[in-house]
Amino acid sequence: GENVEQHPSTLSVQEGDSAVIKCTYSDSASNYFPWYKQELGKRPQLIIDIRSNVGEKKDQRIAVTLNKTAKHFSLHITETQPEDSAVYFCAASGFGGGFKTIFGAGTRLFVKA
Amino acid sequence: EAGVAQSPRYKIIEKRQSVAFWCNPISGHATLYWYQQILGQGPKLLIQFQNNGVVDDSQLPKDRFSAERLKGVDSTLKIQPAKLEDSAVYLCASSLNPRATNEKLFFGSGTQLSVL
Repeated sequence: GENVEQHPSTLSVQEGDSAVIKCTYSDSASNYFPWYKQELGKRPQLIIDIRSNVGEKKDQRIAVTLNKTAKHFSLHITETQPEDSAVYFCAASGFGGGFKTIFGAGTRLFVKA
Repeated sequence: EAGVAQSPRYKIIEKRQSVAFWCNPISGHATLYWYQQILGQGPKLLIQFQNNGVVDDSQLPKDRFSAERLKGVDSTLKIQPAKLEDSAVYLCASSLNPRATNEKLFFGSGTQLSVL
C-alpha cells in the first residue's frame, strides 16, 4: 500500500529564516498531495495542496513543489514567524489507493524569536 | 458552515472495557474517515466510508474495533475490549467527494482516549 516518508522529524529555525520539509511517497498513482498544520491540542488543518499536473504552487509565505519522477514533494515556508511553530504533516492520495489519504509521521517546527 | 462534530472530547477507561466514539460530518460530505493518532505520530487511517459503504478498513483491528455509518451520515467507532496501546486521539474527518477531486479533509476536534 501507499507509504509516505517525511523528514526531518524536528526542525528548529530562527525567526525570519526559511524552513523546508521533505516527503516521499511510494504509490506512483498518487495524484493529490496536501499539507496539514496541527497546533498543540488542535485538529489538523489544510494549509496548501498540490495536484500531480502542477510542479509548484505558492500561497503567500508557503509554497509546495512536486517532483513526480522522483516521487517526492516539499513544503517551503519563508520568513518564518513564531506562530508558524506547529507540527506539519504531508499526505498523499489517489485513485490507486482508493482515494485514501495517507499521512507522513510529521515534522515538529520550532521558530525561535 | 458547521464543522465536523465529535464526542466525547475526552474518555478515560480501564483496559478490557468498551468505548464508543461518535462523529457527525459536514452536511453533504460523502466520505468519512476515522484516524488514530498516537502521541508524536501522524494520523493512521483506520476506516474510510463512502456514503454508508466501507471503502477501506485494511488497518482496522477487526478483532476489537468496529465502525458503522448508518444512513450515510453519522458514524460510530467502537473498541471492545480496549488495550493499553489503544490510547490515542481518534480523529474523524470528512471530505466532499475524493472521487470528484474534492479530497480536502476537514477534521473534527478528536476524542482523546486514555486506557489505564
